[in-house]
Amino acid sequence: DAGITQSPRHKVTETGTPVTLRCHQTENHRYMYWYRQDPGHGLRLIHYSYGVKDTDKGEVSDGYSVSRSKTEDFLLTLESATSSQTSVYFCAIRTSGRWEQFFGPGTRLTVL
Amino acid sequence: AQTVTQSQPEMSVQEAETVTLSCTYDTSESNYYLFWYKQPPSRQMILVIRQEAYKQQNATENRFSVNFQKAAKSFSLKISDSQLGDTAMYFCAFMAMNRDDKIIFGKGTRLHILP
Repeated sequence: DAGITQSPRHKVTETGTPVTLRCHQTENHRYMYWYRQDPGHGLRLIHYSYGVKDTDKGEVSDGYSVSRSKTEDFLLTLESATSSQTSVYFCAIRTSGRWEQFFGPGTRLTVL
Repeated sequence: AQTVTQSQPEMSVQEAETVTLSCTYDTSESNYYLFWYKQPPSRQMILVIRQEAYKQQNATENRFSVNFQKAAKSFSLKISDSQLGDTAMYFCAFMAMNRDDKIIFGKGTRLHILP
């Protein structure tokens, strides 16, 4: 347990609505990541952060934005949710000087 | 661009048997890490084992070991004395040790341990 929580754990929303997912960590890790997991695709990186207010795009960033105003929180926002964004979203952290990532419990998002 | 390939979408073995999951990768990087993650039905992603590319010795964690063949770009996971709790999806993953610290995951192998 790397002290990572995600909220909400489940969410159902409608197409066109904004959605924000939160990742919270308690151990002051510098690096944080957002992935989505879909059948047949494994995990794919959406965005990541290497410090407060320092973020970069991953493989599947279109339709998503992120913010990190403090070390412990990394927010993922879907400005206008679409059905193709129905997925399980995972947050992960990495500690400086180490290369493995540790994952939160995931958020299942359904966009109707 | 790096790619990770897991050629076995699904496998089943009897409890107590040994099973090997295959993974190949493609990269032009010389320094990198390889990982195996386990995802049980609870959905939690759990790091099983990691291997530094510069180390020739294969990593081992209790019943889990890897066969790392750098020239062949192969990184298989062996589970000895398999247990029912090993039933899970297993993901092979690659990470280059450069400023672009992104992990690339394979599509996974679903492993069933049968009683």
